[in-house]
Amino acid sequence: DAGITQSPRHKVTETGTPVTLRCHQTENHRYMYWYRQDPGHGLRLIHYSYGVKDTDKGEVSDGYSVSRSKTEDFLLTLESATSSQTSVYFCAISGGLGGTDTQYFGPGTRLTVL
Amino acid sequence: DAKTTQPTSMDCAEGRAANLPCNHSTISGNEYVYWYRQIHSQGPQYIIHGLKNNETNEMASLIITEDRKSSTLILPHATLRDTAVYYCIVRVMEYGNKLVFGAGTILRVKS
Repeated sequence: DAGITQSPRHKVTETGTPVTLRCHQTENHRYMYWYRQDPGHGLRLIHYSYGVKDTDKGEVSDGYSVSRSKTEDFLLTLESATSSQTSVYFCAISGGLGGTDTQYFGPGTRLTVL
Repeated sequence: DAKTTQPTSMDCAEGRAANLPCNHSTISGNEYVYWYRQIHSQGPQYIIHGLKNNETNEMASLIITEDRKSSTLILPHATLRDTAVYYCIVRVMEYGNKLVFGAGTILRVKS
């Protein structure tokens, strides 16, 4: 598996609190992505990054912000968590050698907002 | 990105080859066929991808028809650990381009 870790792996929080999820990679890949997975919706892209300090929105970015201050770390912040943000969050990376855009996924973070 | 159609579920006997079909009749010339799988509660795992030639790696083989309107993922000797949801995705290989996962095929490998 690609060197991707996510932390925390599980989190329970209350509505209205800020939450930050971390994705860390040891592959020196340029691109990083945050997806969420919900029953009946498959995986949906939240935000992605194409380099340090360079980020862009995905299809479900409302209520989320991201930051990338180092190549290896991509942070996803829920500014004020809501119950609709209860989901499993996956980080992915791409942009390795060979020019392939194959995305490799982390193990996921299960977030429950009460 | 082109849409794909996969069977909802399939069964396969352990040790036998698992052949998972995918239809992508509206695929464009610059779109690749990707396969991922997701074992329960884990992150999606990349399996293989191809443009028009057949491809093989240590996990699987990918057979793409000459007109590129369909493909088959072959797991040559399925094991119980191959039980998972398999996703066929068609996309342009472009950095930053999101992956669109459909419903996929639930493959059950049985002893």
